[in-house]
Amino acid sequence: DGGITQSPKYLFRKEGQNVTLSCEQNLNHDAMYWYRQDPGQGLRLIYYSQIVNDFQKGDIAEGYSVSREKKESFPLTVTSAQKNPTAFYLCASTGWTNSPLHFGNGTRLTVT
Amino acid sequence: GENVGLHLPTLSVQEGDNSIINCAYSNSASDYFIWYKQESGKGPQFIIDIRSNMDKRQGQRVTVLLNKTVKHLSLQIAATQPGDSAVYFCAAKPVGGATNKLIFGTGTLLAVQP
Repeated sequence: DGGITQSPKYLFRKEGQNVTLSCEQNLNHDAMYWYRQDPGQGLRLIYYSQIVNDFQKGDIAEGYSVSREKKESFPLTVTSAQKNPTAFYLCASTGWTNSPLHFGNGTRLTVT
Repeated sequence: GENVGLHLPTLSVQEGDNSIINCAYSNSASDYFIWYKQESGKGPQFIIDIRSNMDKRQGQRVTVLLNKTVKHLSLQIAATQPGDSAVYFCAAKPVGGATNKLIFGTGTLLAVQP
C-alpha cells in the first residue's frame, strides 16, 4: 500500500526541548510539505521541499527546521524557539502541480 | 491574497438525504480546487478536485460545482451515510502558483443523523 507514514501519532514534550516529527512516503513523490492545523483554522504551511536537498520556508516557518536528505523522508524539528508548538502536524506529498496533496495521519504534539 | 471560507461551520443532515457543503474563495485567478474529508484524529483524505476550465465534476456519490462568476464552490454528497460524518474543507490554488500556494478553508462539520 502506497502512502505517507507519520510517527509518532502522539508526542509529549517539555517546554525548551527540541522534538523531531517523522514523515516517510513511498509514493515516489518529489514534493513534500509540512502543515500545522489548529482548531478553527485552515492548514498553514510550515516548510516544503520540491526536490531532495532543497527546501523552502512556508508561511509560518519560524521556530521550525527541516531536512530532505532522501526523497522518501522529510522530518520536521520543532525547536524551543517555536512559541506555541502544541498543535496537530500534517505531512503531505504530491507528484506535480495541480494534483491533490496526499496527507499522512498526523502527529499531535503537546508541549507543557 | 487568497481567502477561502465556508458558509456554515456545522451541517446536520438525516441519513439518506443529500448534503451540500459550500465554500467561497476570494481570488478570481484561482485555477485549481480540491475538496478534502477529515475524520477525527486523522489526516485529510482527498475527495474530488476540479480545474477552473470546468463547472462540474462528478465522482462516486459526490459532485463538485464551481461558479467562477460568484467565486463559489460546492460539494454535493448524495444519499449521505453515517460514514460521511467528518469535517470537509476546500482548498484553492492561484493561477501560476505551485501546490505550496494552496489556501485551505477552515472546514464544515457534517453530522449525519441516523
